[in-house]
Amino acid sequence: SQQGEEDPQALSIQEGENATMNCSYKTSINNLQWYRQNSGRGLVHLILIRSNEREKHSGRLRVTLDTSKKSSSLLITASRAADTASYFCATAGLGGGSYIPTFGRGTSLIVHP
Amino acid sequence: NAGVTQTPKFQVLKTGQSMTLQCAQDMNHEYMSWYRQDPGMGLRLIHYSVGAGITDQGEVPNGYNVSRSTTEDFPLRLLSAAPSQTSVYFCASSHTRSPEASSPLHFGNGTRLTVT
Repeated sequence: SQQGEEDPQALSIQEGENATMNCSYKTSINNLQWYRQNSGRGLVHLILIRSNEREKHSGRLRVTLDTSKKSSSLLITASRAADTASYFCATAGLGGGSYIPTFGRGTSLIVHP
Repeated sequence: NAGVTQTPKFQVLKTGQSMTLQCAQDMNHEYMSWYRQDPGMGLRLIHYSVGAGITDQGEVPNGYNVSRSTTEDFPLRLLSAAPSQTSVYFCASSHTRSPEASSPLHFGNGTRLTVT
């Protein structure tokens, strides 16, 4: 069963706008990862944030993690048409096989030129 | 550096047929896994391996077998295909073998399987 759940399921914006996607999860985690999937392709890793971190940046991407609320957000600033893709969060727990990333259902982002 | 290579890209099977989906990685990753992706369901873990000779079941293992005889290869076998196994299958690998050493997954480009 999915650990993380992304919100919204779909997001449509204009080029240049910011896009924010959220991920909520249920149990304690060791780390949370965000991935991008372009149509017909495999997933590509974007950012990994550990449970003791609150914020990470990578280029136009900003990820926050609030372990007290069991939630994370992915912000894409100044979006481009090439950012059109599905975005997934994956959570990894503690102990046993729970370190294996568990994926949510994803947010489908469309950026209109 | 090829990364994770999956073959074939597309496959059509009749119910009851068997086949093997191939996955190979050239990054010397200890961890390898198979996921299936269905519309509205996200990715679900089928089987995984933390090293040669070691495999374990994921969330949806029924109807699938795996083996890991080498570090590089992790084939997924469908012994008797069913229409419910129509899906896109992804192989992924990483250095991760424990939560303390979590590292990103590297994915192949998938195999689209249709079972009629």
